[in-house]
Amino acid sequence: AQSVTQLDSHVSVSEGTPVLLRCNYSSSYSPSLFWYVQHPNKGLQLLLKYTSAATLVKGINGFEAEFKKSETSFHLTKPSAHMSDAAEYFCVVSEAAGNKLTFGGGTRVLVKP
Amino acid sequence: DTGVSQDPRHKITKRGQNVTFRCDPISEHNRLYWYRQTLGQGPEFLTYFQNEAQLEKSRLLSDRFSAERPKGSFSTLEIQRTEQGDSAMYLCASSFYTSGWAEKLFFGSGTQLSVL
Repeated sequence: AQSVTQLDSHVSVSEGTPVLLRCNYSSSYSPSLFWYVQHPNKGLQLLLKYTSAATLVKGINGFEAEFKKSETSFHLTKPSAHMSDAAEYFCVVSEAAGNKLTFGGGTRVLVKP
Repeated sequence: DTGVSQDPRHKITKRGQNVTFRCDPISEHNRLYWYRQTLGQGPEFLTYFQNEAQLEKSRLLSDRFSAERPKGSFSTLEIQRTEQGDSAMYLCASSFYTSGWAEKLFFGSGTQLSVL
């Protein structure tokens, strides 16, 4: 069975400072891993995905994530937060190609001016 | 790409009533997924279709829930005899799957159900 734990339910950062969102996963197989973002009243949007190629994955809007198998982690980072980054972020795992996604509980990001 | 459309955006109903939601996926997408999201939680998988075939259903999908995708295009999710615990955001997503690695899912904005 697969599962995802997002270690922080809320993260507050100042504009221009780095953002770190932590995610640990559990999977019986080699997983595919994703980060999705959800802005209020908008659909979930894919930020980036890992599918066993390079362990450092670059996504949209300056986000990137590093897959660390030894730590079963897939943390999301951004060097400099922007006000528009305020949203909820979900770490997601999928064990089989094209199969169901298992979402973490989400991390709500607040960006202070 | 007109995106994934869901209708209605909001639905308020009384306990015991039946409700039906509709999802129109991106036109060339062969897979369609339904998820449910409650406040403060991540979305939970309910079921998915490849073309018109329903390939998997979660144990969350009780016998009061039924989903269809009759012609492999739009899909409907019906909840019979609604209960207050059914109150949630119901999300639809679609994708174009061929083979190999997990494909990118495109999500709709959801239907917010409130059961009074």
